[in-house]
Amino acid sequence: DVVMTQSPNSLAVSLGERATINCKSSQSVLYSSNDKNYLGWYQQKPGQPPKLLIYWASTRESGVPDRFSGSASGTDFTLTISSLQAEDVAVYYCQQYYRTPYTFGQGTKLEIK
Amino acid sequence: EVQLVESGGGLIQPGGSLRLSCAASGFIVSRNYMSWVRQAPGKGLEWVSLIYSGGGTYYADSVEGRFTISRDDSRNILYLQMNSLRAEDTAVYYCARERGRWEAFDIWGQGTMVTVSS
Repeated sequence: DVVMTQSPNSLAVSLGERATINCKSSQSVLYSSNDKNYLGWYQQKPGQPPKLLIYWASTRESGVPDRFSGSASGTDFTLTISSLQAEDVAVYYCQQYYRTPYTFGQGTKLEIK
Repeated sequence: EVQLVESGGGLIQPGGSLRLSCAASGFIVSRNYMSWVRQAPGKGLEWVSLIYSGGGTYYADSVEGRFTISRDDSRNILYLQMNSLRAEDTAVYYCARERGRWEAFDIWGQGTMVTVSS
């Protein structure tokens, strides 16, 4: 199985500041035939289902604010919130969909400092 | 509106069976890759099962042989038949649609709670 490891487990950032969440896959999730990383990021608020933010590691889902961005370097992935807003308080998960079993990171809880 | 609505959760004794349903609107289930994902109380997300448009299925090792994913194309509903339930199956179960073939989950239901306890 592809193990997804997120860091940190929790993060407190001041409003307006940058938040960075990391995710590392135990093996490559890059499909060479299309040069895409099969990696998504989700936001989950209490009592709600997850919401897709980023797919293909760096493509923002429609309607997601542009303060959210994703990047990749080998098996290391990063979700960045450029200027934290109060409504961004949530748990964030990365997920690989390169192969089954699909696997998620353990989650990063983002709070306001 | 594109939407998924789960039902069928509840309290069930260990060893029992339950069938979850996921009614889709705004798109055709049989033309999409559909999964069940669960979340134990206070825990992270765990993928459970996938059925793709061609009808093939995949399962997590933790449920293989006990759970069966299926769909009713005439009713546009996704199912998860859960047998031999264990305490560790207690979770909110979400159905989710992939945005394409082998892609991220772009549509999620609100979830249905399954509690396995005596």
